[in-house]
Amino acid sequence: KQEVTQIPAALSVPEGENLVLNCSFTDSAIYNLQWFRQDPGKGLTSLLLIQSSQREQTSGRLNASLDKSSGRSTLYIAASQPGDSATYLCAVRSTGTASKLTFGTGTRLQVTL
Amino acid sequence: SAVISQKPSRDICQRGTSLTIQCQVDSQVTMMFWYRQQPGQSLTLIATANQGSEATYESGFVIDKFPISRPNLTFSTLTVSNLSPEDSSIYLCSAKVRLGDRGRDEQYFGPGTRLTVT
Repeated sequence: KQEVTQIPAALSVPEGENLVLNCSFTDSAIYNLQWFRQDPGKGLTSLLLIQSSQREQTSGRLNASLDKSSGRSTLYIAASQPGDSATYLCAVRSTGTASKLTFGTGTRLQVTL
Repeated sequence: SAVISQKPSRDICQRGTSLTIQCQVDSQVTMMFWYRQQPGQSLTLIATANQGSEATYESGFVIDKFPISRPNLTFSTLTVSNLSPEDSSIYLCSAKVRLGDRGRDEQYFGPGTRLTVT
């Protein structure tokens, strides 16, 4: 059974700082990995999707990497802004159950002025 | 990208009643799902909504409690029946959408329905 863990659970950084969020998964047989953002009381916004054959994806100030063999992904946020404050969720789609996403526990990010 | 709408956005219901949530997707959908997010927790898959047939439920979720319909490709409903305070959660509709320009499926989520049971 796939299990997804995110570290840290919560993070507070001053504006302008670069930061890294970590995601680890137990079963390396994955189809893809997706990073989402969730604002309080809201749904999820897809940030980046990395296919199993890819090493990284970039969108603006965001860069996500994937090391399938070690069961890890990182989300790098450059020059953080207060508007980046949200919960970031990592989700893995395993090859054995190609239709289902398994979500991590999330990292709650607070960017302060 | 795809836009998924849900209604209602929130509701307060009494114990023992039911709430039906509607979900509409504006794009070519390959699969639809319903998730629950309990307070302070991550998302848990309730079921996969199948067009024209019974939904596929995850362990711990049953049709009598969470009946689901999907009469066409882009629309689905989730009913939470015989409500108890433990059902107070955010319920999210999700869809895998085929992005023609990228040739792959990506999963999108609706804004969620916040249910409070009193």
